[in-house]
Amino acid sequence: GAGVSQTPSNKVTEKGKYVELRCDPISGHTALYWYRQSLGQGPEFLIYFQGTGAADDSGLPNDRFFAVRPEGSVSTLKIQRTERGDSAVYLCASSLYGQGESPLHFGNGTRLTVT
Amino acid sequence: DAKTTQPPSMDCAEGRAANLPCNHSTISGNEYVYWYRQIHSQGPQYIIHGLKNNETNEMASLIITEDRKSSTLILPHATLRDTAVYYCIVSSGGSNYKLTFGKGTLLTVNP
Repeated sequence: GAGVSQTPSNKVTEKGKYVELRCDPISGHTALYWYRQSLGQGPEFLIYFQGTGAADDSGLPNDRFFAVRPEGSVSTLKIQRTERGDSAVYLCASSLYGQGESPLHFGNGTRLTVT
Repeated sequence: DAKTTQPPSMDCAEGRAANLPCNHSTISGNEYVYWYRQIHSQGPQYIIHGLKNNETNEMASLIITEDRKSSTLILPHATLRDTAVYYCIVSSGGSNYKLTFGKGTLLTVNP
């Protein structure tokens, strides 16, 4: 079946601009996650949605970062006033359930470059 | 969540078994051991997880020591496509979404 889909696959933007990154989770998965991966590092947790609500947003680095999941399916990660340090691969994942053992299924990410 | 220690890199010959070790000496009773891998330019891929017992699926086997302080991921017949960074992660069931990936082991399968 279809996996987690992320668009765009690459995004180049200028410092100070606003960007939106989209994630389509696996159909039927109730939980959705955003991670960020900098060059040479493992992915780092940003935010977790259970249904429409953000159950844990403790990984968001600052208030320039915001994510929504209005209908409990597609999610958008929004970054305001981008900085060069925001350059990274942004990974989305989904799982059948948010708690317990359900493994996470990741998309291939959006590579964001801030110039 | 408990910290894990993995060798930074390993090599394996194609067709041979790849045995990837992981140390998690501070693991607590309710924490699972998860393995994910990341092939270049792709997102992480779930492989297997376990609590106490050894586990096997179509991709790999997971051997957890009796004291649960270490584990080994076994790829029984490695192929070139198994070249990837392998992450061993310890996480409790209540927060398994908040995975701490670390730097993992770069497994290179050689022809």
